[in-house]
Amino acid sequence: EIVLTQSPGTLSLSPGERATLSCRASQSVSSSYLAWYQQKPGQAPRLLIYGASSRATGIPDRFSGSGSGTDFTLTISRLEPEDFAVYYCQQYGSSSWTFGQGTKVEIK
Amino acid sequence: EVQLVESGGGLVQPGGSLRLSCAASGFTFSSYSMNWVRQAPGKGLEWVSYISSSSSTIYYADSVKGRFTISRDNAKNSLYLQMNSLRDEDTAVYYCARSRWFGELDPWGQGTLVTVSS
Repeated sequence: EIVLTQSPGTLSLSPGERATLSCRASQSVSSSYLAWYQQKPGQAPRLLIYGASSRATGIPDRFSGSGSGTDFTLTISRLEPEDFAVYYCQQYGSSSWTFGQGTKVEIK
Repeated sequence: EVQLVESGGGLVQPGGSLRLSCAASGFTFSSYSMNWVRQAPGKGLEWVSYISSSSSTIYYADSVKGRFTISRDNAKNSLYLQMNSLRDEDTAVYYCARSRWFGELDPWGQGTLVTVSS
């Protein structure tokens, strides 16, 4: 099973700042099968990025994904107040889905 | 509007059973694979089970294999999760989610809380 490790665990930033979130896989992941989700308290996760770099419908262009192999990144170019949340990476492979443990982006 | 609505959660004793349902609307349910994902209180996301559009392919996480059974009724636009031999560690919010082309999950339902406790 592929293990996804996200870092940092918590990111303390101010609105307007740039956020860079990392997701590292224990073995190579096809970029097609790497996704990112946003989850706010009391809400279900929402798909942000699929195929490592494609934005889901309705996702603002301040969100971008990149990476390949074992290292993937979610970047939020300028944090808006509504972006403070927990972010998860996820991969599909070998008949199972795995999630990273999450990165919390909090207001500094 | 694409919508998924879970139901069936509640309080159950260890060793007990529960059946979750997920009602789908706004899309051709029979054309999509579906998943169950859970989230223990204050914890991260854990994939539970997958079922293909025709029910021909089913996968389970090791943590639930042999205890949980996923199924669907395409005529009723519904997804199910039969949970038997429940344990304390099965306590979580259970989400149903639609699979897209490369395993990404979109959308998700609002979740239903399952509490296993004596």
